[in-house]
Amino acid sequence: GAVVSQHPSWVICKSGTSVKIECRSLDFQATTMFWYRQFPKQSLMLMATSNEGSKATYEQGVEKDKFLINHASLTLSTLTVTSAHPEDSSFYICSARSIGQYNEQFFGPGTRLTVL
Amino acid sequence: GEDVEQSLFLSVREGDSSVINCTYTDSSSTYLYWYKQEPGAGLQLLTYIFSNMDMKQDQRLTVLLNKKDKHLSLRIADTQTGDSAIYFCAENFVFGPGTRLSVLP
Repeated sequence: GAVVSQHPSWVICKSGTSVKIECRSLDFQATTMFWYRQFPKQSLMLMATSNEGSKATYEQGVEKDKFLINHASLTLSTLTVTSAHPEDSSFYICSARSIGQYNEQFFGPGTRLTVL
Repeated sequence: GEDVEQSLFLSVREGDSSVINCTYTDSSSTYLYWYKQEPGAGLQLLTYIFSNMDMKQDQRLTVLLNKKDKHLSLRIADTQTGDSAIYFCAENFVFGPGTRLSVLP
C-alpha cells in the first residue's frame, strides 16, 4: 500500500514551454501533497505544500507564478513549470501524506526535467 | 532557519556495520526520519523515531537519538551490497544533504 506515482518520469522540453507533472496517490487519500526539487548530488528542497481544495503554500524563494500547483482531488496534485528555462532543469519529487500517527510522507519516483 | 547536516560519504565492507550520523538544529521536531534513495528510484522511508525516544530498533536498523546534542544516527548491521544507496536524515520537511553509502565486497 501507500504508493505514489508521478507522470511523466522524465521530460525534455524547449525553453519557453510549459511542463505539467502529475502526482497521484494510488491507494490512499492524501489531504496534503508536497513538491520537492532535487539538484544533482544535493538534497531535496521543499518547494511547496498543497492541500486539497486550497491554494498551495510556497516556501521562501519559490516563485508561485513560475511553479503552479493544483491539488484538485484527494489523489491528484499537479505541478506546472511555466515558461521553463534551462535553470529549471532538475529532478522534481512529490510526496503525499496520509492521515496517520506519525505523518509519514510517501514519495513518488520523481520526474527528471531537462529544458533545452 | 532549520538545518540538517550529514557526512557525505561512507564506505564499509560487506558484513560490517554502517553508522550514518546526522545533526539537526530544530529542537521542536516531533519525529525524525531516515530515508533511503537508490539510483533511479524514489525516496523510501526506512525508519523514524519519535522525539521522546532514545533508541529504536527495526531488524537490521538501529536509530539512536541524542536530543541534548541534537544528534541522530542510523546503524545498519551486517551491511549488504543492496544497502548501497544515499541515506537522508530529515526533520519534518528539512532534509540533510544525504550520505552516500558504498558497500565493498
